[in-house]
Amino acid sequence: GQQLNQSPQYMFIQEGEDVSMNCTSSSIFNTWLWYKQEPGEGPVLLIALYKAGELTSNGRLTAQFGITRKDSFLNISASIPSDVGIYFCAGLLHKAAGNKLTFGGGTRVLVKP
Amino acid sequence: DGGITQSPKYLFRKEGQNVTLSCEQNLNHDAMYWYRQDPGQGLRLIYYSQIVNDFQKGDIAEGYSVSREKKESFPLTVTSAQKNPTAFYLCASSIVASRVETQYFGPGTRLLVL
Repeated sequence: GQQLNQSPQYMFIQEGEDVSMNCTSSSIFNTWLWYKQEPGEGPVLLIALYKAGELTSNGRLTAQFGITRKDSFLNISASIPSDVGIYFCAGLLHKAAGNKLTFGGGTRVLVKP
Repeated sequence: DGGITQSPKYLFRKEGQNVTLSCEQNLNHDAMYWYRQDPGQGLRLIYYSQIVNDFQKGDIAEGYSVSREKKESFPLTVTSAQKNPTAFYLCASSIVASRVETQYFGPGTRLLVL
């Protein structure tokens, strides 16, 4: 099946830093989604991208849909402690038989000790 | 408040036992989904339902069963055939299946094997 490679697997942030994570795929997608998951909770949608090249912001978060349709990145600007969590990318290829999301393995964002 | 509820939050299963995880939504969504999450991995789709009385297998359906008798409810049964059931199970719903990107997730159920 389709695979999404998400990197880095772990990321340590210091308050005020800008950080970035990305997802790459061997296949194209029509839609890219970015989620954040808090411990013991379900993921919450942060940003949805629908067109190749699209750049979308949600507060301090900015995500882009790669031109090749095989990648996407998420930037967090001016990190704050509550940015800690697991960030997932997900790709969607619309099909007549039903739409299914393919998820990356997640980037775990932690605070630098 | 509108949302998705999952119960129980923690569930323990003995060897050879079937267990059922509950998922209820009051969002009036047509489509519902079950995902499995393992440490260090992304979510994997177990089953999904586009409409009442209809459901399809996802990528890892073996050892699981579902029913969709009511729009609001989509219970998942983890059968004894599932040899590695320990995981975090997430239920989700979306307005319609064609708008899967609108899906909301429940808080999850953690299943542990005794």
